[in-house]
Amino acid sequence: GENVEQHPSTLSVQEGDSAVIKCTYSDSASNYFPWYKQELGKRPQLIIDIRSNVGEKKDQRIAVTLNKTAKHFSLHITETQPEDSAVYFCASRGNYGQNFVFGPGTRLSVLP
Amino acid sequence: GAGVSQSPSNKVTEKGKDVELRCDPISGHTALYWYRQSLGQGLEFLIYFQGNSAPDKSGLPSDRFSAERTGGSVSTLTIQRTQQEDSAVYLCASSPGGAGGDTQYFGPGTRLTVL
Repeated sequence: GENVEQHPSTLSVQEGDSAVIKCTYSDSASNYFPWYKQELGKRPQLIIDIRSNVGEKKDQRIAVTLNKTAKHFSLHITETQPEDSAVYFCASRGNYGQNFVFGPGTRLSVLP
Repeated sequence: GAGVSQSPSNKVTEKGKDVELRCDPISGHTALYWYRQSLGQGLEFLIYFQGNSAPDKSGLPSDRFSAERTGGSVSTLTIQRTQQEDSAVYLCASSPGGAGGDTQYFGPGTRLTVL
């Protein structure tokens, strides 16, 4: 079955700097890759997603890139702000079963 | 409109008791997922319902766990003979499914504590 790895597990950046989180997946048939932000004690919320027919997608300060050949995708946050501090999860939807497999998460801390 | 709701928000039970957790998905969403999240950990897939298809139960950790979805809407996750390792937050998510898209919308979760 699908396996998703996520790095780093923790990330601290200064306010205004950029943050990059990387995920790799194992199933070459996976076709949908969402990213979720989970603030402490709250539910995960979708922040951006990308499909396998697109290489990059951007939404204001957030972007996601996908390399299908290498089977990895990355979340890029520019001009980080303290409110970006949260745990970020990547996920992959494999072709088999159509369920989602989540990465273990990255705890991002933006230091003022 | 209303988002995904779950009840109860918190459940404390004694080891060996059965518990039922409820999920009300967004109206019209055909896909419904259950996940388990232990403290400080990621989301562990449990079960997935899509329309009238047979559910994908591949993530259920043991036969003490079961789930049903009545009328394609409300879902109940049942844990029998609870164990302390079942303590976690149980999250439900729904998505439009099919041509409607696959963005998952999560509920607030049920925090289960097994004493």
